[in-house]
Amino acid sequence: GAVVSQHPSRVICKSGTSVKIECRSLDFQATTMFWYRQFPKQSLMLMATSNEGSKATYEQGVEKDKFLINHASLTLSTLTVTSAHPEDSSFYICSARDRGQGTNSPLHFGNGTRLTVT
Amino acid sequence: GNSVTQMEGPVTLSEEAFLTINCTYTATGYPSLFWYVQYPGEGLQLLLKATKADDKGSNKGFEATYRKETTSFHLEKGSVQVSDSAVYFCALLFSGGYNKLIFGAGTRLAVHP
Repeated sequence: GAVVSQHPSRVICKSGTSVKIECRSLDFQATTMFWYRQFPKQSLMLMATSNEGSKATYEQGVEKDKFLINHASLTLSTLTVTSAHPEDSSFYICSARDRGQGTNSPLHFGNGTRLTVT
Repeated sequence: GNSVTQMEGPVTLSEEAFLTINCTYTATGYPSLFWYVQYPGEGLQLLLKATKADDKGSNKGFEATYRKETTSFHLEKGSVQVSDSAVYFCALLFSGGYNKLIFGAGTRLAVHP
């Protein structure tokens, strides 16, 4: 089946530093990837839609300058949390849609990245 | 707008009990509906899906039927196992823009031996 690899799975960083999270589709190409944030025991909140070769589309209330998204190829999207603060600590999950399966096909999810900012 | 409402958890059951997790949706047009499962510390896995009214999605003993008249997509399983303990998310695929997936709040299921 389609596999999405997310790296790292856990990261601890100091306040004020930046952290980059990678999301790779291993056996399919993804024109579109999605980044979600999940707070403890809560649902997934869509942060932004990452589009290969163009700017990401951010959801209302998400700071684009803080959460930088780059989708440089059909198999890789990155999310960089800039100048991280403790309130950015969360579980970040990426997902990708197989470009060969149509726009209504299910999303494939990575295993998430647990970010802790100290 | 488009939204998904799930029954609140946690749901606690004994092994072999019958499971129902309610899910209702609000959407314009004809969305596709999904159930995803999240095991502790992991991402989400697609459990089943239905793309049109009266479709029944099924997988691993779980079933859900797309009911347009009641705008529902309730998840059921006849006999749960301890290994089914997880968080279950109902989701709606919003057909507009980049076809974004909108999730319900999630329902935690705990199955005891």
